[in-house]
Amino acid sequence: NAGVTQTPKFQVLKTGQSMTLQCAQDMNHEYMSWYRQDPGMGLRLIHYSVGAGITDQGEVPNGYNVSRSTTEDFPLRLLSAAPSQTSVYFCASSPRASGRERYNEQFFGPGTRLTVL
Amino acid sequence: QQQVKQSPQSLIVQKGGISIINCAYENTAFDYFPWYQQFPGKGPALLIAIRPDVSEKKEGRFTISFNKSAKQFSLHIMDSQPGDSATYFCAARSGTYKYIFGTGTRLKVLA
Repeated sequence: NAGVTQTPKFQVLKTGQSMTLQCAQDMNHEYMSWYRQDPGMGLRLIHYSVGAGITDQGEVPNGYNVSRSTTEDFPLRLLSAAPSQTSVYFCASSPRASGRERYNEQFFGPGTRLTVL
Repeated sequence: QQQVKQSPQSLIVQKGGISIINCAYENTAFDYFPWYQQFPGKGPALLIAIRPDVSEKKEGRFTISFNKSAKQFSLHIMDSQPGDSATYFCAARSGTYKYIFGTGTRLKVLA
């Protein structure tokens, strides 16, 4: 299993440009999410999905769109990039909650480092 | 609004010492408290987790202590090793799948 994969690893955008960060998982996990990581801020939830066709907003959703047409893929779209969106973006996936001790363990991808000029 | 407060921001420990990282939360509806370990250039990885009906959870050198009445939980790393040098995040789960993370603690273990 490749686990959670993210592309690209690095990206530089100009203000106002749009782009899509790709995320895929091959573990048949129902839950997927996007986080951004900024120095001193920890990880903040942008959007999440509890299954194909179902998405919801996290802490910091403004400026980002998501969709979940398949179980495997959960792309994050920046419609009009702003310098405030310069960050490292992580995608994560998790199986449905169970009684196991490490239940709902989130598996994170390697991240995408985005710079908006 | 930060609902999980983590301290300290950074920590330096001698090899063999005990590393302690603390987190405090406000929302009593949180029902699952994981700790993640992150190495530079990598995504976070689950280290250990606890549910609020348990006061302590131990896995190898890593222990979570949980104080429900004080709304606090902490990570203890016994016999800290240079390979433990990483950033540690506490988190709390709200609802089915919404996690709130602490701001992270950068741990350095001196050889």
